[in-house]
Amino acid sequence: EVQLVESGGGLVQPGGSLRLSCAASGFTFSSYWMHWVRQAPGKGLVWVSRINSDGSSTSYADSVKGRFTISRDNAKNTLYLQMNSLRAEDTAVYYCARDLLRLATPSNWFDPWGQGTLVTVSS
Amino acid sequence: DIQMTQSPSSVSASVGDRVTITCRASQGISSWLAWYQQKPGKAPKLLIYAASSLQSGVPSRFSGSGSGTDFTLTISSLQPEDFATYYCQQANSPPLTFGGGTKVEIK
Repeated sequence: EVQLVESGGGLVQPGGSLRLSCAASGFTFSSYWMHWVRQAPGKGLVWVSRINSDGSSTSYADSVKGRFTISRDNAKNTLYLQMNSLRAEDTAVYYCARDLLRLATPSNWFDPWGQGTLVTVSS
Repeated sequence: DIQMTQSPSSVSASVGDRVTITCRASQGISSWLAWYQQKPGKAPKLLIYAASSLQSGVPSRFSGSGSGTDFTLTISSLQPEDFATYYCQQANSPPLTFGGGTKVEIK
């Protein structure tokens, strides 16, 4: 069974840092692009970042560029999101998602998704 | 950035009704569009990709159409498990963007 399990969320003060992890199983992790998507409480979905299969290519939403870093460890089948200089507006459930297709170029369709991890930025 | 506009923002319908949700892109995206279903407290689920391709395991009452800037998600006969929020998403180019969502509620 294909599964993604996020962890690392929690309460952090403004200006603080947090690292999210996404453990993958049931598929060849090293062959897929991976994404992070977030959802503020009661709001819609917002794409955050993506990374290619070997970690050499990344993209970010403007709202997190320069503060967040996506990375992966294919030996550990794990995706990461390092979040620095956190702001109140970063409060959200963060989902990791696999790219739908196993290709060198991303399809940018998301399937499956993890269950999400809640990040709360507050003093 | 490509803006995605969904309408309506909410719709009240009964079991058995035909429901149509539209999504408009601010610029042409060919068929680079997906539809997701999200239930409260759950992760989104991919329903349709490439504008009209049904994801494996998704019931055939769901269908998608359109290309360029205008797209439609249709539920042919609404079932109790279909009451949820639906999002469109453009996959043409980063930043990847979603529509604001359409909540399908019980009439």
